[in-house]
Order: sequence, then structure tokens, then C-alpha cells
Amino acid sequence: NAGVTQTPKFRILKIGQSMTLQCTQDMNHNYMYWYRQDPGMGLKLIYYSVGAGITDKGEVPNGYNVSRSTTEDFPLRLELAAPSQTSVYFCASSYSGTGAEAFFGQGTRLTVV
Amino acid sequence: AQTVTQSQPEMSVQEAETVTLSCTYDTSESDYYLFWYKQPPSRQMILVIRQEAYKQQNATENRFSVNFQKAAKSFSLKISDSQLGDAAMYFCAYVYGGSQGNLIFGKGTKLSVKP
Repeated sequence: NAGVTQTPKFRILKIGQSMTLQCTQDMNHNYMYWYRQDPGMGLKLIYYSVGAGITDKGEVPNGYNVSRSTTEDFPLRLELAAPSQTSVYFCASSYSGTGAEAFFGQGTRLTVV
Repeated sequence: AQTVTQSQPEMSVQEAETVTLSCTYDTSESDYYLFWYKQPPSRQMILVIRQEAYKQQNATENRFSVNFQKAAKSFSLKISDSQLGDAAMYFCAYVYGGSQGNLIFGKGTKLSVKP
């Protein structure tokens, strides 16, 4: 059972570089999410999607972009990386937007230097 | 605005004993759900227990149970017969019915289990 798969697990970026965090799920879930986790903090929502072709901003969207061309994939794009984007990033999916369990990937630890 | 507060940054428990982690939340919604997630050192977020706000009965999953006090907006997690594998960060989270499943997390409680 693959569930939610994120790549890469670790990455170091230089200031100003760009990268895409990949996320794919094999559970046919319509709802997908990107969260970031800063030290000593809970997770905060960056972007979410309720289905292919539909995305919307969460609490902390600045500096990020997403797309959802298929049900399975929900990549997160970082443009012009900044030290403030140093964090652990989690992708999650859920079959419903009403209180259903969210399944998480293993996270990507990103450091911007 | 909806908020989730975990007032205990760290807790410690002796193996085989019981520990309770606290969580309070603020909402004006009537249709919502509460969760406890466990995050071990592997970073994986694992659902421990889930509670629907409309249910009066407290949720239970094996050694894990909650004390859901709706009027007080309190949602504590009790871990019985603590095991070494229970050592982790525990996050309380909230979602309301119209939010498309967007979870709001507390800052977490780090639980240590002493042998």
C-alpha cells in the first residue's frame, strides 16, 4: 500500500532557486493538501485541492504555487526560494472534505541557504 | 477564527502508566470534527483517534481514549498502559464541516516514555 508518496525526502536549496515538491496518492482521493511544519509549531495549510483542475489558497500561500492536472498528483512549486521557506512540507489526501481521516506523506525537509 | 491550543509543550510518563494530553479549541461552528495525530521521529503523521462533535460518546481506540467536553471546548487524549512506542509528538487538530477538510493544528505536545 503506497498511500501518499512525496519526493524528495530531503533537499537543500540556495536562495533564489526554484524547485517542485512532488506528491502522488493511489487512493483515488479527491481532496489533497499541502502543509508546512515549522519547528515548535503545528502544521499550517499552504494550498489545497478538491479535485482535478481545482485549487485554492490556504493560510500561508505566499511564495508557492500548485497545480492539479490529475486526481493522483498535486505538485507544490517553490519559486525564488527564501530562508523563510525552510520547513518540513507534508502532502495529505482525504476522500471527503467533511471530517474524514487525512492520510499524510512522509514529509520533505527543505533547507534554504 | 478557529484556533487549537495545546498548553503542554512536553509531558513525561512512566512505562505502563497513564497520561493525559490536553487540548482546547475555539469555534463558533456546530458541525466539526476533532483529531489526535501522532508524529514519531520518523515524521510520519499517524491518526490516533477521531471524534465527531455531534456524538456525545467519547471515542476509544484500544489504549487511547478521549474526554470530549463540548461546552468547555476541551478534547483531551488519555493514553493507558503507556508503551515505549508511544513516545512521539502528539497534535490535536480540528476541522469544520464547511472547510473542505482543512485541518487546524495545535502546536503539539512532546511525550516521553520512561522505561
